[in-house]
Amino acid sequence: AQSVTQLGSHVSVSEGALVLLRCNYSSSVPPYLFWYVQYPNQGLQLLLKYTTGATLVKGINGFEAEFKKSETSFHLTKPSAHMSDAAEYFCAVSSSSGGGADGLTFGKGTHLIIQP
Amino acid sequence: GAVVSQHPSRVICKSGTSVKIECRSLDFQATTMFWYRQFPKQSLMLMATSNEGSKATYEQGVEKDKFLINHASLTLSTLTVTSAHPEDSSFYICSARWTGAGEKLFFGSGTQLSVL
Repeated sequence: AQSVTQLGSHVSVSEGALVLLRCNYSSSVPPYLFWYVQYPNQGLQLLLKYTTGATLVKGINGFEAEFKKSETSFHLTKPSAHMSDAAEYFCAVSSSSGGGADGLTFGKGTHLIIQP
Repeated sequence: GAVVSQHPSRVICKSGTSVKIECRSLDFQATTMFWYRQFPKQSLMLMATSNEGSKATYEQGVEKDKFLINHASLTLSTLTVTSAHPEDSSFYICSARWTGAGEKLFFGSGTQLSVL
């Protein structure tokens, strides 16, 4: 069984500040981890994913995440927030690298608010 | 990038009526599509896996007679909520599995169902 916990349903940061969105997972098999972003009235868009290899993963729009097996974490960061980053962010885990063999298990989501 | 179109984006219906939601992969063929449901402030929960030309696989606790899934072509899957009740009000979102170079999931923009 797999599960994902996202700490903080809402995170507010100032424009230009560091963004940190937390994600912890549990999985009985080696996990594949994903971060998705959802802008208003749009579908989920893949930000980045961890499959194997390098534990620091770089994604689109300046985001990156680090897989820490010892902490069962996959936190998402961005050095400098931009107003356009305001959105809902979902962490997800899967037993397949593409997430599609058996679907994804999602966290509850974190709403990122950017203050001017 | 690949696009998944989900329609309608919002629907309001009376209790006891049926509602059909369509999920189309616009520029690729998807042998597998997934249907998720999201209640307010909750995770996206996988409801069922839809495979073209065969019966859908439902997750535990999801009533297959209430949530009818049809995947008659490689570009279209439909979810029909039969005899809808207020407790079925939720956000429904589909995803389509792309198996080109690598494996990816592409999501629709979701359907907000409100049952009066």
